[in-house]
Amino acid sequence: AQSVSQHNHHVILSEAASLELGCNYSYGGTVNLFWYVQYPGQHLQLLLKYFSGDPLVKGIKGFEAEFIKSKFSFNLRKPSVQWSDTAEYFCAVNADFGNEKLTFGTGTRLTIIP
Amino acid sequence: NAGVMQNPRHLVRRRGQEARLRCSPMKGHSHVYWYRQLPEEGLKFMVYLQKENIIDESGMPKERFSAEFPKEGPSILRIQQVVRGDSAAYFCASSPSPDYSNQPQHFGDGTRLSIL
Repeated sequence: AQSVSQHNHHVILSEAASLELGCNYSYGGTVNLFWYVQYPGQHLQLLLKYFSGDPLVKGIKGFEAEFIKSKFSFNLRKPSVQWSDTAEYFCAVNADFGNEKLTFGTGTRLTIIP
Repeated sequence: NAGVMQNPRHLVRRRGQEARLRCSPMKGHSHVYWYRQLPEEGLKFMVYLQKENIIDESGMPKERFSAEFPKEGPSILRIQQVVRGDSAAYFCASSPSPDYSNQPQHFGDGTRLSIL
């Protein structure tokens, strides 16, 4: 079974700082990878996804992620964060084709200080 | 709003009561997934349903929990004889098909279940 690790549990940054959130998964085969964001009291929203092709994926709100197969990683990045990026970020993987169930990491809480 | 409707948003039950959580998928979606989020944890898959069929219930506790997605109406997650450990946020997601090439799941706002 696949698993997802997010090692940063809580990250605190100042506005305009650069962001990188780590995500590693364990599965030897082909995977689909996702980053979701959850603003306080809201539902999960898809930030970006990787299915195939260019390993550098652009998402909404200036986020991007890079799939590095050799490292089993899919780190999320943003060059300059804003206060409105304060939220919880979840990395997820699907490796059971024909069944889209997602395996999530435990999440990273991001706090941006104005 | 992602279009997946869950109700109620908040549900309070006493130990031993039953909890019913409802999920109406996005229009045109016929696949529903239920996830549970415990405090300070990520979402855990519970069950995957299509209309009138349970496809994968590998994440469902063996007792007290059941799910259905009837031909008409919303998907229902039912928890019988609730205990304090059932307190969590329950999220529903839907997709049009298991065509994973371009169809990510869309999530509802969740139901926050509190057990007194």
